[in-house]
Amino acid sequence: SQQGEEDPQALSIQEGENATMNCSYKTSINNLQWYRQNSGRGLVHLILIRSNEREKHSGRLRVTLDTSKKSSSLLITASRAADTASYFCATSHGNNRLAFGKGNQVVVIP
Amino acid sequence: DAGVIQSPRHEVTEMGQEVTLRCKPISGHDYLFWYRQTMMRGLELLIYFNNNVPIDDSGMPEDRFSAKMPNASFSTLKIQPSEPRDSAVYFCASSLTEGGYEQYFGPGTRLTVT
Repeated sequence: SQQGEEDPQALSIQEGENATMNCSYKTSINNLQWYRQNSGRGLVHLILIRSNEREKHSGRLRVTLDTSKKSSSLLITASRAADTASYFCATSHGNNRLAFGKGNQVVVIP
Repeated sequence: DAGVIQSPRHEVTEMGQEVTLRCKPISGHDYLFWYRQTMMRGLELLIYFNNNVPIDDSGMPEDRFSAKMPNASFSTLKIQPSEPRDSAVYFCASSLTEGGYEQYFGPGTRLTVT
C-alpha cells in the first residue's frame, strides 16, 4: 500500500530557526496532509494540500507539493520550543484511507 | 466540542485476558478509524467504519481482534485473548466526510500486555 515517508527522521534546531521536513510517496494522490503529535498525545491535523495545489500556507507553516517528484515538504518558520513534536505526512488516494509515514522527530532547543 | 474520547487511557493486563478499548467520535462525524502505533511499525490502520458499518478491516492483525460500532456515538475494539505483542498505543479517529479529509484523533489508549 502507498505510504508517505518522511526524511529526515530526526531534527534538532535552535529556537528561531526554520525546520524543514520532506515526505515522498509512491503513487498518485488526492491530497497530502501533515499532522503533529506531541509526546503522549494523539495526532493533530496541521494542513492539507490537494493534488492540484503546489503550495499552501497556514501561520508559520508552509507546505509544498511536487506531484511530478511525488514529494512534499513542510517548513516551520521561526520555530518555538512548543513546536517540539513528531510530524507525520499522510497521503489520501481516494479510497477513504490515509497512509501515514513513520514520522519526523523535531526538537526545538530554547 | 469535547473531541474524540477514548477510554481507558492506560491499560495493563496479563497475557490471555480480554481487553476492550472504547471510543466516542465527534458528534456528526460519519467515519471512524482505529489505528495502532508502535515504534517498529509506526501508525497502522486497523479498521474503519462509515455510518456505523465496517468498510475495511484488512488491517486487523488476526481473529483475536474485533471491532464494533453499535451506534454513531460509540465504538469498541476488543482483543481476546491478548498477547504481549499487542502492546501498543491504540488511537481512534473520526472524520466528518470521507477519509480523504482531515481526521481528528483521540488521545489514545496505551496498552501493555505482560
